[in-house]
Amino acid sequence: DAGVTQSPTHLIKTRGQQVTLRCSPKSGHDTVSWYQQALGQGPQFIFQYYEEEERQRGNFPDRFSGHQFPNYSSELNVNALLLGDSALYLCASSLGSQPQHFGDGTRLSIL
Amino acid sequence: AQKVTQAQTEISVVEKEDVTLDCVYETRDTTYYLFWYKQPPSGELVFLIRRNSFDEQNEISGRYSWNFQKSTSSFNFTITASQVVDSAVYFCARLGGYNKLIFGAGTRLAVHP
Repeated sequence: DAGVTQSPTHLIKTRGQQVTLRCSPKSGHDTVSWYQQALGQGPQFIFQYYEEEERQRGNFPDRFSGHQFPNYSSELNVNALLLGDSALYLCASSLGSQPQHFGDGTRLSIL
Repeated sequence: AQKVTQAQTEISVVEKEDVTLDCVYETRDTTYYLFWYKQPPSGELVFLIRRNSFDEQNEISGRYSWNFQKSTSSFNFTITASQVVDSAVYFCARLGGYNKLIFGAGTRLAVHP
């Protein structure tokens, strides 16, 4: 039973570029949440997708957008990258009120 | 803000020592969930425990135990007889609306042989 899978593992971009991160949820899960974890800090909630709609959003600018597909997989897009966007991006999936399961994350470095 | 505070940034112990990780939370809700996650160097957050605010019984799972005290808004985590494999960053979290997790800053635990 595959857990949450994220791709790519690592990514290097330059300021101003755009990036797309991908997440496949754990089998049977229908909700995907994205978190940003800066170095030495706890994860910060970006947004959550359920039934292909953004259900809730954290305190992140519109440069951060996402999508959920009919198979429940999800993408996180970040436009006009800033140095401060360098972080570990974590995807979590869940079903109903069950605890969220996390992937290994995508480490994004902005030069 | 209804935040989660982990005052200990780093803890260093020698193998077989007991260690307690502190967590204090803020909430205006009468019903809420609290969590502990472990983050090894690989980066994945590993779920350890979820506690409902109605259940104040302490819980033990092997070498792990959790002490939940509503009166002091604390949800502390104790590892008994620590092992090198316990070395990781541990996060305490609270569930916000729509299943959104609110994390503390984490405590880095280093267990030395």
